[in-house]
Amino acid sequence: GENVEQHPSTLSVQEGDSAVIKCTYSDSASNYFPWYKQELGKRPQLIIDIRSNVGEKKDQRIAVTLNKTAKHFSLHITETQPEDSAVYFCAALDFGASKIIFGSGTRLSIRP
Amino acid sequence: GAGVSQSPSNKVTEKGKDVELRCDPISGHTALYWYRQSLGQGLEFLIYFQGNSAPDKSGLPSDRFSAERTGGSVSTLTIQRTQQEDSAVYLCASSKGGLRGAQETQYFGPGTRLLVL
Repeated sequence: GENVEQHPSTLSVQEGDSAVIKCTYSDSASNYFPWYKQELGKRPQLIIDIRSNVGEKKDQRIAVTLNKTAKHFSLHITETQPEDSAVYFCAALDFGASKIIFGSGTRLSIRP
Repeated sequence: GAGVSQSPSNKVTEKGKDVELRCDPISGHTALYWYRQSLGQGLEFLIYFQGNSAPDKSGLPSDRFSAERTGGSVSTLTIQRTQQEDSAVYLCASSKGGLRGAQETQYFGPGTRLLVL
């Protein structure tokens, strides 16, 4: 079955700098890759997603890149702000298997 | 409109007792998902309902866990003979199109915090 690995588990960056979180997946049939943000004590919320027919997607300060050959995808946050502090989860979805597997999460802290 | 709601928000129970957790999805959403999140951990996929189709139960941790969805709307996750390792936050999510559709964005409920003593 699908296995998703996420790195790093914790990340601390200076406010204004960029943050990058990386995920790898094992099942080449996976074709949809969402990213969720979970603030402390709150529910996860989708921030960006990418499908396997696209290599990159951008939404303001957030971008996601996908390398299907290497089976990895990354979240890029530029010009980080204090409100970006949260736990970020990547996930991989295999439409055929009807399962979605989440990474273990990255706790991002923005230093003032 | 209203988001996904879950009840109870918190549940404390004794080891060996049964618990029922409820999820009300967003109106019109055909897909419903259950996840478990242990303290400081990621999201563990438990089960997924698509409309009135029979769910794939292979993600459930043990045969003490069961879930049903009546009328394609409200869902109940039942844990029988609870164990201390069942303590976690149980999150429910719903989406418009499900895992086989084009509208996969999942909207999460606030979760039920279960503590088994």
